Amino acid sequence: GESVGLHLPTLSVQEGDNSIINCAYSNSASDYFIWYKQESGKGPQFIIDIRSNMDKRQGQRVTVLLNKTVKHLSLQIAATQPGDSAVYFCAENTGTASKLTFGTGTRLQVTL
Amino acid sequence: EPEVTQTPSHQVTQMGQEVILRCVPISNHLYFYWYRQILGQKVEFLVSFYNNEISEKSEIFDDQFSVERPDGSNFTLKIRSTKLEDSAMYFCASSEAQSMGRGLKFFGPGTRLTVL
Repeated sequence: GESVGLHLPTLSVQEGDNSIINCAYSNSASDYFIWYKQESGKGPQFIIDIRSNMDKRQGQRVTVLLNKTVKHLSLQIAATQPGDSAVYFCAENTGTASKLTFGTGTRLQVTL
Repeated sequence: EPEVTQTPSHQVTQMGQEVILRCVPISNHLYFYWYRQILGQKVEFLVSFYNNEISEKSEIFDDQFSVERPDGSNFTLKIRSTKLEDSAMYFCASSEAQSMGRGLKFFGPGTRLTVL
């Protein structure tokens, strides 16, 4: 599951710092969002989700913020660790559709 | 923890050949999906499947593609006549309930298809 992507935006953070990964979505009708982590050679791994009736949701070390006004989603990772290095995708879903529409992805690099 | 498995991990084929990608979804799941990811690009939805029929498909999923649940455990994606542009990672996923695509937590590790 590589997203080698010469064109992938990259976020470089130091171990222990907080990371913020952003995602702009396009469909104003989308009402459910997921953040996935993808490590090299693996499939997408579910991190956290949020419904459009919320603007914030917290998990373990992660927080997702949703701003429907500007169609923006962010993933905050607290105390970033080397194991957090991966490509992160947001995905959106609309109404009764079964499909997820994925964003482009951001590569997170954690430096020691 | 339960997991979705896929075989083979890497498939190399000649243009025009048929390929079948195999997936074993999680045993109590009823909804199955195929997604693909061309190198360096987004993950793209191909098809969802429930109760032995396609629930939804994308424009990519043309008549060269088909899916099947041949038995109680496998879920396959067939490409009848592969093209160069079919080269990608193909991910299978499954869920307990369609939930309109919500909470899709279980993706397989992928099959890398290379068409020469």
